[in-house]
Amino acid sequence: GAVVSQHPSWVICKSGTSVKIECRSLDFQATTMFWYRQFPKQSLMLMATSNEGSKATYEQGVEKDKFLINHASLTLSTLTVTSAHPEDSSFYICSATDGAETQYFGPGTRLLVL
Amino acid sequence: GQNIDQPTEMTATEGAIVQINCTYQTSGFNGLFWYQQHAGEAPTFLSYNVLDGLEEKGRFSSFLSRSKGYSYLLLKELQMKDSASYLCAVLGAAGNKLTFGGGTRVLVKP
Repeated sequence: GAVVSQHPSWVICKSGTSVKIECRSLDFQATTMFWYRQFPKQSLMLMATSNEGSKATYEQGVEKDKFLINHASLTLSTLTVTSAHPEDSSFYICSATDGAETQYFGPGTRLLVL
Repeated sequence: GQNIDQPTEMTATEGAIVQINCTYQTSGFNGLFWYQQHAGEAPTFLSYNVLDGLEEKGRFSSFLSRSKGYSYLLLKELQMKDSASYLCAVLGAAGNKLTFGGGTRVLVKP
């Protein structure tokens, strides 16, 4: 099946710093990538939809200036959490699709903001 | 809006069968997915139903009734490694967006 990678898998940072998370589709071209956030014992919440070469579409309540998304190529999307605060600590997961219905998920990035 | 309901937790015995139900009310529908998620890991794809009926794939089967807004995931011959959360997700009519239910934690006991 399709493989999606994320880097880093773990990140710990100080409050006020910015963190960049990369999402790559390894064996297919991802026309669309999605970014989710998952808090402990909760389900996945969609943050934004990212199409290659265009601006991301953010879900209601997600600050686009805080969560910067760049989808510069068909195999790479990045999420930058700017000025991170402890409440941003979460499990961030990306998914990718080649235009078909199924989304394939990356392994996730656990962010801890001190 | 989107509303997807599934039980929070289920417990079953190794070797047994468990059925996880999912009901949904959504503004658009392009299919329903089931994903498995082990603790601390990302979801892995199990099944996709877009037409009514039962889809069988090994020990896992998924059923869909669009008129009733209802699906279930059936896990047979349970193994300890099946202990995980199972997520029901509906694909909306536009933009390929998935809306997830809260997930059902299944605990398989020896």
